[in-house]
Amino acid sequence: KQEVTQIPAALSVPEGENLVLNCSFTDSAIYNLQWFRQDPGKGLTSLLLIQSSQREQTSGRLNASLDKSSGRSTLYIAASQPGDSATYLCAVRSLRGTNAGKSTFGDGTTLTVKP
Amino acid sequence: GAVVSQHPSRVICKSGTSVKIECRSLDFQATTMFWYRQFPKKSLMLMATSNEGSKATYEQGVEKDKFLINHASLTLSTLTVTSAHPEDSSFYICFGGGASNYGYTFGSGTRLTVV
Repeated sequence: KQEVTQIPAALSVPEGENLVLNCSFTDSAIYNLQWFRQDPGKGLTSLLLIQSSQREQTSGRLNASLDKSSGRSTLYIAASQPGDSATYLCAVRSLRGTNAGKSTFGDGTTLTVKP
Repeated sequence: GAVVSQHPSRVICKSGTSVKIECRSLDFQATTMFWYRQFPKKSLMLMATSNEGSKATYEQGVEKDKFLINHASLTLSTLTVTSAHPEDSSFYICFGGGASNYGYTFGSGTRLTVV
């Protein structure tokens, strides 16, 4: 069974800092890994999708890496801004087993960027 | 890219009423749709998997008579929360795709509040 863990659960940083959010998963047989942002009371916004054959994806100040063999992904946010404050979720889509085809979410990291 | 349109994005209903949530695949045929639910301060949990033209498969602990899923066409899957109670208040999101396992995409989510 796929298990997804996100560390830390919460993070508070001053504006301008670079930061890294971590996501680990137990089964490396995956289709892809996706990072989302969720604002309080709102829906999910897809940030980056990394296919299993890719090592990283970049969008603006965001960079996500994937190390499938070690079951890890990181989301790097450069020059953080107060508007980056949100909960960040990673979701791993499994290739095999009872979870084949399904996505498993981590519990998220709640980021607060202080002005 | 593939787009899943989910409606409504937000709904408030009275206890005892039923609410239908729709997910439409706009530019592809969604043979499979996964439905997720998010509990307060928790991650998203898979509720059920629906395949076009067949009965949905529910995860353990999910009441199939309460959460009715219909996937009668390749472009529409619906989740109906029947006889809603306040504890059904949650964020619901669909995740669908077609023949290619790399083309699955999430809807934008529905926030249900039962009063």
